[in-house]
Amino acid sequence: DAKTTQPPSMDCAEGRAANLPCNHSTISGNEYVYWYRQIHSQGPQYIIHGLKNNETNEMASLIITEDRKSSTLILPHATLRDTAVYYCIVKPNTGANSKLTFGKGITLSVRP
Amino acid sequence: DAGVIQSPRHEVTEMGQEVTLRCKPISGHDYLFWYRQTMMRGLELLIYFNNNVPIDDSGMPEDRFSAKMPNASFSTLKIQPSEPRDSAVYFCASSLARGQARSQQHFGDGTRLSIL
Repeated sequence: DAKTTQPPSMDCAEGRAANLPCNHSTISGNEYVYWYRQIHSQGPQYIIHGLKNNETNEMASLIITEDRKSSTLILPHATLRDTAVYYCIVKPNTGANSKLTFGKGITLSVRP
Repeated sequence: DAGVIQSPRHEVTEMGQEVTLRCKPISGHDYLFWYRQTMMRGLELLIYFNNNVPIDDSGMPEDRFSAKMPNASFSTLKIQPSEPRDSAVYFCASSLARGQARSQQHFGDGTRLSIL
């Protein structure tokens, strides 16, 4: 899997947008960008994934740069419950290999 | 809609004892994964199954660890004999093999294992 780089931590105010960056400069053409998060004492939770177009769902938006070397996960209105470790992962979405390799992630702290 | 169910939630036992962790994946899912999470090593994949067949067990730390999936609705991870360094949170996850759902892994709440 391509390596991803995330800052170790960031914080934002409740109600504001949280923009979580991820660098994946060695991403291959068939690799997708996935985001998961892990709230304390829970299992990881899928958030969103994309290939090259921007994606949005009920949880977040994913912005991928045109060269695909970096991306940003956007939580439009962060709440205290969004405090968690967020993992950016790149991997192919084809074939039998469905492994996810988790790095250290970025710890998001949402302050009141 | 039941998610991935793991049992027990907590397990405390003495070193040398056999430990069995259990997982019930989401009905209809084709893949099942076992992960281990520690402060030092983070979240690591131990083994995964596709249609009940082990596909990749390269993450299993040593022969003391074994995993089985006798049917589509049940899997076990066994440690025998257990050692203090096996203390960790063990997660089970499942996913579908088809379409956009591929790689959207659904995780259980984990088993927190403490070996004394």
